[in-house]
Amino acid sequence: AQTVTQSQPEMSVQEAETVTLSCTYDTSESNYYLFWYKQPPSRQMILVIRQEAYKQQNATENRFSVNFQKAAKSFSLKISDSQLGDTAMYFCAFMGNNAGNMLTFGGGTRLMVKP
Amino acid sequence: DVKVTQSSRYLVKRTGEKVFLECVQDMDHENMFWYRQDPGLGLRLIYFSYDVKMKEKGDIPEGYSVSREKKERFSLILESASTNQTSMYLCASSPPDVATNEKLFFGSGTQLSVL
Repeated sequence: AQTVTQSQPEMSVQEAETVTLSCTYDTSESNYYLFWYKQPPSRQMILVIRQEAYKQQNATENRFSVNFQKAAKSFSLKISDSQLGDTAMYFCAFMGNNAGNMLTFGGGTRLMVKP
Repeated sequence: DVKVTQSSRYLVKRTGEKVFLECVQDMDHENMFWYRQDPGLGLRLIYFSYDVKMKEKGDIPEGYSVSREKKERFSLILESASTNQTSMYLCASSPPDVATNEKLFFGSGTQLSVL
């Protein structure tokens, strides 16, 4: 079974600064998919970014980028120019190639952006 | 705009009651999922369904059952609610393939308290 670990239960960052959220996972599969989801106080889960394991290039979506290290099984999320609206719970998630759309989530990191 | 609607945002029930959590999606998605979210544990999959009248157990099915009589509706049932089922419950739906271009759509969650 796959496991996903987020070692930082809580983090804070000053507005306009950069923050990195950590995520490690354990799997024996060679091809899989990784995701970062954001859950603001509204509780609505929002997909932030997606990475396919067979792609070497790190995914980027505007101010959000990942550092995907396949050998180390690490998938960190970098948020640049942090904004107050980035305050939320962030979940890292893993999906195997034959998992039937089932995601395994990490325990989450609560991020607070301070003005 | 796509929508996954959960019938209640907050629910308070007593130990031993039978509890129904309803989820409706308007996107004609084949796949539907029920997760529970607990602090530090992230989201854990309870049950999922790939089609009408089909259901599969997730990681923590004990104490729960599900029903999918119509494609758009996926119900989670707590046969005899217990205090350890106090949690946030999230419903999600997806088209067949979330790995590449598709994604999971989540409801806004039901915070259930069992007293």
